[in-house]
Amino acid sequence: GDSVTQMEGPVTLSEEAFLTINCTYTATGYPSLFWYVQYPGEGLQLLLKATKADDKGSNKGFEATYRKETTSFHLEKGSVQVSDSAVYFCARKNTGGFKTIFGAGTRLFVKA
Amino acid sequence: DAGVIQSPRHEVTEMGQEVTLRCKPISGHNSLFWYRQTMMRGLELLIYFNNNVPIDDSGMPEDRFSAKMPNASFSTLKIQPSEPRDSAVYFCASSPQGSYEQYFGPGTRLTVT
Repeated sequence: GDSVTQMEGPVTLSEEAFLTINCTYTATGYPSLFWYVQYPGEGLQLLLKATKADDKGSNKGFEATYRKETTSFHLEKGSVQVSDSAVYFCARKNTGGFKTIFGAGTRLFVKA
Repeated sequence: DAGVIQSPRHEVTEMGQEVTLRCKPISGHNSLFWYRQTMMRGLELLIYFNNNVPIDDSGMPEDRFSAKMPNASFSTLKIQPSEPRDSAVYFCASSPQGSYEQYFGPGTRLTVT
């Protein structure tokens, strides 16, 4: 079935470090792909998305490129801030229907 | 614009009691999702509706859980009777027609003692 696998956390970085959070998805069709972010005590919110191969989603300095050949959608940011500390979820639309399949989430801690 | 509204934000109840969680989706959105989040199991989809009709309830843990969407602007998730293992944060999310982006509410933190 449809699934999303993302790297386990927690990931701990110093401020201004480079961030990569790996995400791969099952290659059923050409699903829309998403990254959501959850700040402490809040619901998930959409960070960025890509709807077709080679698309690059970007927002707030974060980027992810839809790689069909490697079925990946890795999240990157060139210089993280303390305020980026949160849990990041990779997700894909399921095949058929309206559901979104979420990864397990990766917790990011950024130290000042 | 108001986002997804959930109430209550916190609920503490005793085992065996009935619990009702409420959700008001974003106006104009036609899909609504109920999720449960725990440390052990992560984010789980319980049920989702499209145009007020339940489409997939395969994630509902057992018969103690039920959900309704009587109209486009309101949904409830009921647990009867509640058990300590139901303690979690419950999220409601909505999605507009033709889009797969989901907009989450702030969640209801449920504690069953």
